[in-house]
Amino acid sequence: NAGVMQNPRHLVRRRGQEARLRCSPMKGHSHVYWYRQLPEEGLKFMVYLQKENIIDESGMPKERFSAEFPKEGPSILRIQQVVRGDSAAYFCASSPLGQGGSHGYTFGSGTRLTVV
Amino acid sequence: ELKVEQNPLFLSMQEGKNYTIYCNYSTTSDRLYWYRQDPGKSLESLFVLLSNGAVKQEGRLMASLDTKARLSTLHITAAVHDLSATYFCAVDIADDMRFGAGTRLTVKP
Repeated sequence: NAGVMQNPRHLVRRRGQEARLRCSPMKGHSHVYWYRQLPEEGLKFMVYLQKENIIDESGMPKERFSAEFPKEGPSILRIQQVVRGDSAAYFCASSPLGQGGSHGYTFGSGTRLTVV
Repeated sequence: ELKVEQNPLFLSMQEGKNYTIYCNYSTTSDRLYWYRQDPGKSLESLFVLLSNGAVKQEGRLMASLDTKARLSTLHITAAVHDLSATYFCAVDIADDMRFGAGTRLTVKP
């Protein structure tokens, strides 16, 4: 079991470009969560998705950010027209249920986005 | 809005000493999780607490949950350098999990 796979591990974008972050959940997990971690800070919830559905996007900025989890393939977090303030580590987590349950979430290694 | 507050946010300890990290939360929840994060790394699950009065221990770390007080503690016994990391508590609410700001622990020789 490969765990939660995120790619790329590091991503550098110039201001105004688009960033695409990918997350493949653990086998058997159909619930995906995205969190953002700014340097020296905690994790901020962004969005919760199930296959083909966004369940909760209350933590997602209203503009430039979008997420999807298609029927086939990984979940994608897309940031359009990136700005320096988007520089952060973006973590994906997955679970077999729509909550932490008895095991909590399994986290990927994160994508560290740097906007120059 | 749910608040998950950890304290202290920064903790510097001498090896061999004991200390407790506190996690308070503002809504009803029966499930609380503790994670560890090393610099530049992902989050590693430490403890899952699923009911009032739950206590879990692993090595020098012990976690407990009091759902009535909405409080969880992470107790460190006889700290060693390898415990230096950032520790997060997280509360399960409805559909997802919300994290505290983290406690950055440094254990000095």
